[in-house]
Amino acid sequence: GAVVSQHPSWVICKSGTSVKIECRSLDFQATTMFWYRQFPKQSLMLMATSNEGSKATYEQGVEKDKFLINHASLTLSTLTVTSAHPEDSSFYICSARAPGGTSTDTQYFGPGTRLTVL
Amino acid sequence: GDSVTQMEGPVTLSEEAFLTINCTYTATGYPSLFWYVQYPGEGLQLLLKATKADDKGSNKGFEATYRKETTSFHLEKGSVQVSDSAVYFCALNNYGQNFVFGPGTRLSVLP
Repeated sequence: GAVVSQHPSWVICKSGTSVKIECRSLDFQATTMFWYRQFPKQSLMLMATSNEGSKATYEQGVEKDKFLINHASLTLSTLTVTSAHPEDSSFYICSARAPGGTSTDTQYFGPGTRLTVL
Repeated sequence: GDSVTQMEGPVTLSEEAFLTINCTYTATGYPSLFWYVQYPGEGLQLLLKATKADDKGSNKGFEATYRKETTSFHLEKGSVQVSDSAVYFCALNNYGQNFVFGPGTRLSVLP
């Protein structure tokens, strides 16, 4: 089946630094990628929808200047957490949708990235 | 907007017990329904899905039936194992858009 990778799988950083998380579709082209955040022992919440070649659409309450999303190619979307603080510590998960995908069969989740901000 | 409600647990069972985790949803249109499982420290794994009313999804002994009349998608397993201990998420997806997840149910199976 289709594979979506995320890098890094985990990262620890100091408060005030920026961290970039990559989401790649390995064997298909993804016109749309979704970024989710999962706080400890909580559910996944959609942060933003990323469309290749255009600006991301952020959910209400998500700061677009803090969580920068770039979907520069059909196989790569990046999420940059700028000036990270301990409250940004979370598990970040992406999903990728193949072109022409109106069916849920064409969406695949990455394994997630655990961010810890000290 | 669309939403998913499920029993939050934690649920603690003995090995070989019967499992039911209730899930109900609110959505416009006709969403597809999913159960995902998350083991400690790992990402999501698709457990099963159903794309239309009365469909039954099944995998690894788990089953769930898409009930449109009750807007439900309850997860069941006849005999749980210790290895089934994980967090289970009910989710919906409308026409390939983003997933909407329930709060998750933590299951612990004791030997």
